[in-house]
Amino acid sequence: GQQLNQSPQSMFIQEGEDVSMNCTSSSIFNTWLWYKQDPGEGPVLLIALYKAGELTSNGRLTAQFGITRKDSFLNISASIPSDVGIYFCAGRLGAGGTSYGKLTFGQGTILTVHP
Amino acid sequence: SAVISQKPSRDICQRGTSLTIQCQVDSQVTMMFWYRQQPGQSLTLIATANQGSEATYESGFVIDKFPISRPNLTFSTLTVSNLSPEDSSIYLCSVGSRSPWSYEQYFGPGTRLTVT
Repeated sequence: GQQLNQSPQSMFIQEGEDVSMNCTSSSIFNTWLWYKQDPGEGPVLLIALYKAGELTSNGRLTAQFGITRKDSFLNISASIPSDVGIYFCAGRLGAGGTSYGKLTFGQGTILTVHP
Repeated sequence: SAVISQKPSRDICQRGTSLTIQCQVDSQVTMMFWYRQQPGQSLTLIATANQGSEATYESGFVIDKFPISRPNLTFSTLTVSNLSPEDSSIYLCSVGSRSPWSYEQYFGPGTRLTVT
């Protein structure tokens, strides 16, 4: 099946620092979604991307849809303690075929922010 | 975005029994999914719940073990049958929202299952 490689697996940073994480795939996706999951909760959608090269922001979060359509990046600026959690990327394949509409998830990046 | 609720939020079940999880959405949705998240792992799609027809299961998941109902466009249930400790996971209901230009997918709060 499809696989997404998400890195880094974990990050330990100081409050105020910027954070970057990325996902790469062997397949082309036509949608990239980024989620955050807090302990004991379901994933919450942060940003959705639909076009190669697209750069989208949501507050201190910025995500980019890679030009090759095989990767995506998420940046968090000026981190704060409530940014702690697990961040997942998810890709959705193009139209047609049996995989249409299904999301493939990365392994997740565990973010720890020290005050 | 849709508001999704799940019941129960958590349960502890004995080996060999079954647990049925309910998912309620506050609006009619076409696309509804069930995911499993094993401890410390990412999300794995179990099946797509189709309204009025049998669910579509992913490789490695079978109807006998994970029967799904979808009686209408706002409700679905997932049953995890013949429980074993390996079934201890978080089970998540999810709905998709699609337009010609966009796709978004939202998740419920999850049901944490522990099998003893």
